[in-house]
Amino acid sequence: GQNIDQPTEMTATEGAIVQINCTYQTSGFNGLFWYQQHAGEAPTFLSYNVLDGLEEKGRFSSFLSRSKGYSYLLLKELQMKDSASYLCAVRPLTYYGGSQGNLIFGKGTKLSVKP
Amino acid sequence: NAGVTQTPKFRVLKTGQSMTLLCAQDMNHEYMYWYRQDPGMGLRLIHYSVGEGTTAKGEVPDGYNVSRLKKQNFLLGLESAAPSQTSVYFCASSPLRTGVLRTNYGYTFGSGTRLTVV
Repeated sequence: GQNIDQPTEMTATEGAIVQINCTYQTSGFNGLFWYQQHAGEAPTFLSYNVLDGLEEKGRFSSFLSRSKGYSYLLLKELQMKDSASYLCAVRPLTYYGGSQGNLIFGKGTKLSVKP
Repeated sequence: NAGVTQTPKFRVLKTGQSMTLLCAQDMNHEYMYWYRQDPGMGLRLIHYSVGEGTTAKGEVPDGYNVSRLKKQNFLLGLESAAPSQTSVYFCASSPLRTGVLRTNYGYTFGSGTRLTVV
């Protein structure tokens, strides 16, 4: 089967660092995505990992270990506006009905940033 | 740049009514998708299309139909709405994947349609 797990909720303090973990089991692997979704809005792209290691983009970093089926999103210098849900999504390697791999989403982690 | 546009943004239906949700993208993307998002369930794929004139079923296709007569449009239809179809619906599109490893070919989402079936 295909499964993506991430914590349901997390709370952190403004200015702090928070790490959101994601573990996955899919039929092959061809990339992992992190999306940010504010309440009532559409998901927006944050980061993409296809090779092992860390990808850094400003205050946001994402790490991938393919052998462990594991990724994390690291948010530094937290701001109130970072309060949102963070979605981990994986693209399987194998064809899924001929689609070349639709994204499979985790259920999301709701992050609350407190003053 | 419009990106992905969904209409309508909100709708209330009575059980048994039908409706069509429209998704339009102006990025010349090959792939288009319809997802539904429910509390505690995450995003689940309803139907998708890999090109004009082609559609396929996703994870939760029952009760929905789709059509992609033009490359830029992807329509989602509910023939006989049920309360279980109360949800937020997102359309997304992505470009053709040509195999360049570090290119993400990720999704661009529309702003969503909040549908309530009573």
